[in-house]
Amino acid sequence: DAGVIQSPRHEVTEMGQEVTLRCKPISGHNSLFWYRQTMMRGLELLIYFNNNVPIDDSGMPEDRFSAKMPNASFSTLKIQPSEPRDSAVYFCASSGPLISGGTQYFGPGTRLTVL
Amino acid sequence: AQTVTQSQPEMSVQEAETVTLSCTYDTSESDYYLFWYKQPPSRQMILVIRQEAYKQQNATENRFSVNFQKAAKSFSLKISDSQLGDAAMYFCAYKEAGTYKYIFGTGTRLKVLA
Repeated sequence: DAGVIQSPRHEVTEMGQEVTLRCKPISGHNSLFWYRQTMMRGLELLIYFNNNVPIDDSGMPEDRFSAKMPNASFSTLKIQPSEPRDSAVYFCASSGPLISGGTQYFGPGTRLTVL
Repeated sequence: AQTVTQSQPEMSVQEAETVTLSCTYDTSESDYYLFWYKQPPSRQMILVIRQEAYKQQNATENRFSVNFQKAAKSFSLKISDSQLGDAAMYFCAYKEAGTYKYIFGTGTRLKVLA
């Protein structure tokens, strides 16, 4: 299996621009997670999807952030407009059913720099 | 609320030696999972090992093994025959069975000395 795929791997943009991060989960996994990692705050869960439905978006910082999962094999995280404080590494992770443990497998991450 | 504590911000080990990374957690649940993830300089979070709380046997993956002490709520990671490629940040994580939310520790940075 190819594992969780994220694109782009690096993104540099200017303040105010729209940023879209993409994720393809592991085939057969029904749960998808978006995380943000910074030195100050560590790993933060932004949003959790189960069977393509957003279940918990309490970690989404503010209305500038939105996430979608139109089908089982694709998800996006969008920031509009972007701000310098959004600079971080964004991870997508996926897992199988919770009843079988729900071990999360992470993608390689997208390093976002907002100037 | 559940918490995960990694009390060693940084550790060093000589190549080919053995090192143990500590992790303690707090929970009132009896059914849960514990994990160790490795984050090398490439930044990818890589699953190293997983332990189910209901299993008494300690999990092992090649050179990586855990010492799971359920009563003491301790979950340490032992790396044997350390290699330069083991240098990374290591995160301990807890997840209650049947839930989706991970609780991560703050990480331990492991340096491997040649």
